Order: sequence, then C-alpha cells, then structure tokens
Amino acid sequence: AQKVTQAQTEISVVEKEDVTLDCVYETRDTTYYLFWYKQPPSGELVFLIRRNSFDEQNEISGRYSWNFQKSTSSFNFTITASQVVDSAVYFCALSAAEYGNKRVFGAGTILRVKS
Amino acid sequence: DAGVTQSPTHLIKTRGQQVTLRCSPKSGHDTVSWYQQALGQGPQFIFQYYEEEERQRGNFPDRFSGHQFPNYSSELNVNALLLGDSALYLCASSLASNQPQHFGDGTRLSIL
Repeated sequence: AQKVTQAQTEISVVEKEDVTLDCVYETRDTTYYLFWYKQPPSGELVFLIRRNSFDEQNEISGRYSWNFQKSTSSFNFTITASQVVDSAVYFCALSAAEYGNKRVFGAGTILRVKS
Repeated sequence: DAGVTQSPTHLIKTRGQQVTLRCSPKSGHDTVSWYQQALGQGPQFIFQYYEEEERQRGNFPDRFSGHQFPNYSSELNVNALLLGDSALYLCASSLASNQPQHFGDGTRLSIL
C-alpha cells in the first residue's frame, strides 16, 4: 500500500516559536520521492522540497528544515522562528515506482501562527 | 514566465450536467496532472497526461476524462455531475512525472 499520514490536523503557535510538522509514509518500493507543499488561503500549492529515497541527508533552507528518517518512515518539516506568513495548510506527498509514480498526498496540517 | 494557469476560476453547475476545465502548463513543461481536492482534504490524483496520452490514472470513474493538446495544454471533462464532485480541481505541470510539480490556482467547482 502507498499511504501518507499527517497525524496533526491543526497546530497553533505564537510567532517566533519553532514548529515541527510530522509526516509518516508507507510504501513497499525502495525507490520513491517525498515532497512537501504549502497551500496558502489563495489555494495554490507551492512546492517546498523533493527528497529521493536514497538521500537521507537532512536539508536546511533558511528557516525551513527537513528530517528524513527511513528507519521510521518519516519526513518531518520544521519551521524555525515561525512568522504569521507561514500560516497555511502544509501537505506531505509520496511518489513511488510501484504505483506508477502517482503522487499520493496526506490530509494536510493546518498551521496557524498568531502574532 | 507564466506559471500554470487554469480557467475558469469558479464554476457552478447542477447535477447531471457536464463540465470542461482548462489548464495551460508552465512554459517548458510537457507533463500535466489533474487533482481533485475536496474541502479539508489533500489533493487526490485523477490522471496524468504526457505526449497527448493518459499515462497514469487514479481511482476515479470514467465520468472523468481528459485531453492534452500538441501545445501541452490540457482539459479535464466531467460528465453526469454529482454533488460529490464539488471540489477544487488543481492542475499541475512538470518536466517528468517525478520532477517537482508546479500547481495552478485551481478551479472551484460547485454542484447544486
């Protein structure tokens, strides 16, 4: 089965707090890609990162960082010093060869950052 | 450099009608994917087009069909509309199926 679980439905933080969004995935394939997208109220999905299954190196991009752990099938996303503009719905997605590379999305996590 | 553009932005239809949604991919992209996003849920993959052919399909009935034109633009057609078809329909383009997809703003379809 190919599945993405984002257990956190909604998270509220105060500006400048750090916040981690969890993502757990399932696939039998050894070759796969993981993605994170941001969906602001306007509706457009904004691509944040792509990671392939052979690269477990963590990545940092400004205030964003990603922790990929194959041992726990997790691909978590941390925002450091959150800002009000970070408020959005965040989706984790999986694409695996066993399912013809169809992209499967999690249900999303609503992040609310209050000033 | 225009990104992915979708039309119309909003659409209201009644049950049993048919609808066509349109998508122009980002310049240089040749692969177009369509997703349905119901309120409060993640996008669900409908199908993907490449070289004017449907290459992949998700778990959607045959009422959902599509087309890709030689200029890589695409249409999504839905026949015999049901109330449950009310959703945001997103189009995404990419250079290949596993490359980062760029999404349009979507078409919000409401079925009365």
